[in-house]
Amino acid sequence: AQKVTQAQTEISVVEKEDVTLDCVYETRDTTYYLFWYKQPPSGELVFLIRRNSFDEQNEISGRYSWNFQKSTSSFNFTITASQVVDSAVYFCALSEGSGGSNYKLTFGKGTLLTVNP
Amino acid sequence: GAGVSQSPRYKVTKRGQDVALRCDPISGHVSLYWYRQALGQGPEFLTYFNYEAQQDKSGLPNDRFSAERPEGSISTLTIQRTEQRDSAMYRCASSLEWQAYNEQFFGPGTRLTVL
Repeated sequence: AQKVTQAQTEISVVEKEDVTLDCVYETRDTTYYLFWYKQPPSGELVFLIRRNSFDEQNEISGRYSWNFQKSTSSFNFTITASQVVDSAVYFCALSEGSGGSNYKLTFGKGTLLTVNP
Repeated sequence: GAGVSQSPRYKVTKRGQDVALRCDPISGHVSLYWYRQALGQGPEFLTYFNYEAQQDKSGLPNDRFSAERPEGSISTLTIQRTEQRDSAMYRCASSLEWQAYNEQFFGPGTRLTVL
């Protein structure tokens, strides 16, 4: 069975600080996909990134970067020079790439990030 | 529309009433998913469709919950004889196809409160 753990329930930082959100996953599949979603106070779920299990290259998009390490089953998300608009709940999610349930997203419980001015 | 839409956005009902939640996916998206999100939790899978066929309903909590997508587009999630424990955010998502690598686009959700 697949599982996603986001051990940090809440994080509070001051604007311009860097912050890393942790995500640890469990799966028996060798092919799988990892996702990060953002849920701002308005409530919608916004897709941020998708990685597949065969691509361990780190990715950077503006102030956002992602560190995927299969050896530790982690897919961590770093925001550099955080801004107030980054305040949201961030979810890590996993989808297995084979088998009978490869359409199902399994989410972690989310990390509430508050960026204070 | 450009994104997934859901209606109503908020629904307050009394225990024992039936409710119907609607989802209008992105045009052309084959796959449609329903998730439920309790307060302080991540979304949990309920059911999913490819075109009009319900492929998996293993996440539906009990037989009071049902879903349909009769023409392969709009979907309705129905909860009969609602109970207070049904209170949650109900989210719909759609994707181009059903494979795991396809991004699921989420709607704004329906906040259901059962009194």
